[in-house]
Amino acid sequence: AQSVTQPDIHITVSEGASLELRCNYSYGATPYLFWYVQSPGQGLQLLLKYFSGDTLVQGIKGFEAEFKRSQSSFNLRKPSVHWSDAAEYFCAVGAGGNTGKLIFGQGTTLQVKP
Amino acid sequence: NAGVTQTPKFQVLKTGQSMTLQCAQDMNHEYMSWYRQDPGMGLRLIHYSVGAGITDQGEVPNGYNVSRSTTEDFPLRLLSAAPSQTSVYFCASSSQLGWADTQYFGPGTRLTVL
Repeated sequence: AQSVTQPDIHITVSEGASLELRCNYSYGATPYLFWYVQSPGQGLQLLLKYFSGDTLVQGIKGFEAEFKRSQSSFNLRKPSVHWSDAAEYFCAVGAGGNTGKLIFGQGTTLQVKP
Repeated sequence: NAGVTQTPKFQVLKTGQSMTLQCAQDMNHEYMSWYRQDPGMGLRLIHYSVGAGITDQGEVPNGYNVSRSTTEDFPLRLLSAAPSQTSVYFCASSSQLGWADTQYFGPGTRLTVL
């Protein structure tokens, strides 16, 4: 069955430090992968997506993610975190078929220390 | 464009009451969906629609009904509210099947069932 695992429930980094959020997926075919961000009290906003091609994907707000098929991972990175990056981050995989469903991970809450 | 709008933002119900959560989008998207978000569980698909007049069940459909009479609107009805339906509900839309395209999320409705 398809699934997404975000091993880290909560991460704290200092402002200006680098960031890596982990995402592992289980999917039989070539996955469609997404990272969404949710600011407090807001809906989800797409950061980036991977469908095919270059395995390093650039997104908005200075984020990037790398698809590694051998490791079934799609980790999100940012070289220098800003206080405004504090939010909850969700990794998701497209389930394919006719449902249109996205399968979400449990989410990682990012706290940024000044 | 207003994007995806949801009303109300907050709602408190008593067990057994019914209500409708409203969702509208002005992007002429064919695909719309409802998710619920519970702590530690990410988002789970309740119902989805691939166009006006076409709806289908997602992962957790029990206790919810939907209809899609227009492209713009996709209301979610709770027939007889239960405490297990306490959650944050998000509506989303996209131009293609949800897993194949960017989904745009509304700001959410926080529902409490007493």
